[in-house]
Amino acid sequence: AQSVTQLGSHVSVSEGALVLLRCNYSSSVPPYLFWYVQYPNQGLQLLLKYTSAATLVKGINGFEAEFKKSETSFHLTKPSAHMSDAAEYFCAVSDLGQFYFGTGTSLTVIP
Amino acid sequence: EAEVAQSPRYKITEKSQAVAFWCDPISGHATLYWYRQILGQGPELLVQFQDESVVDDSQLPKDRFSAERLKGVDSTLKIQPAELGDSAMYLCASSWQTSGRSDTQYFGPGTRLTVL
Repeated sequence: AQSVTQLGSHVSVSEGALVLLRCNYSSSVPPYLFWYVQYPNQGLQLLLKYTSAATLVKGINGFEAEFKKSETSFHLTKPSAHMSDAAEYFCAVSDLGQFYFGTGTSLTVIP
Repeated sequence: EAEVAQSPRYKITEKSQAVAFWCDPISGHATLYWYRQILGQGPELLVQFQDESVVDDSQLPKDRFSAERLKGVDSTLKIQPAELGDSAMYLCASSWQTSGRSDTQYFGPGTRLTVL
């Protein structure tokens, strides 16, 4: 069965600091992994996805994620946080077109 | 840029009443999904359509929920009767095809339901 675990339901960083949001997956087949961002009272917007090409994936808004098979991880990073990055972030794994989402990480950016 | 449309954006209803949500996927997308997202949690799949056919409705509470996609384009999700525990965000998403494991799902803005 496929699943994702997001460590840390709340993360706070200072503006300009590194953002690191953790995601570990469990999959019986080579995974397809996604990161989505959700702003209050809005739908989910795709940040980036891993589809077995390059292990370092670059997304929108300066975010990137690295697929590490040995650690079954797909952590999301951004070198310098901006106030507009404050939102909820979801990691998801895909299997046969069905997505399994993590419980989300709420990112707070402190001015 | 094409988007998934949903209406209404917000709905307040009393328990035991009927509610309906509408979704129009991105043109050409064969697969349509309805999710429920309880506050503070990730989305959970309720039902998945491939064209007009239901692919997966195993998590849909069929005693009170129903979904249809009659012409394989837009879709309606209905709850009758609504219960207090149904208060949540209802998200619609679409993608090109079911069999593509790497297919991105594109989400609409959601409908925030409050049951009083």
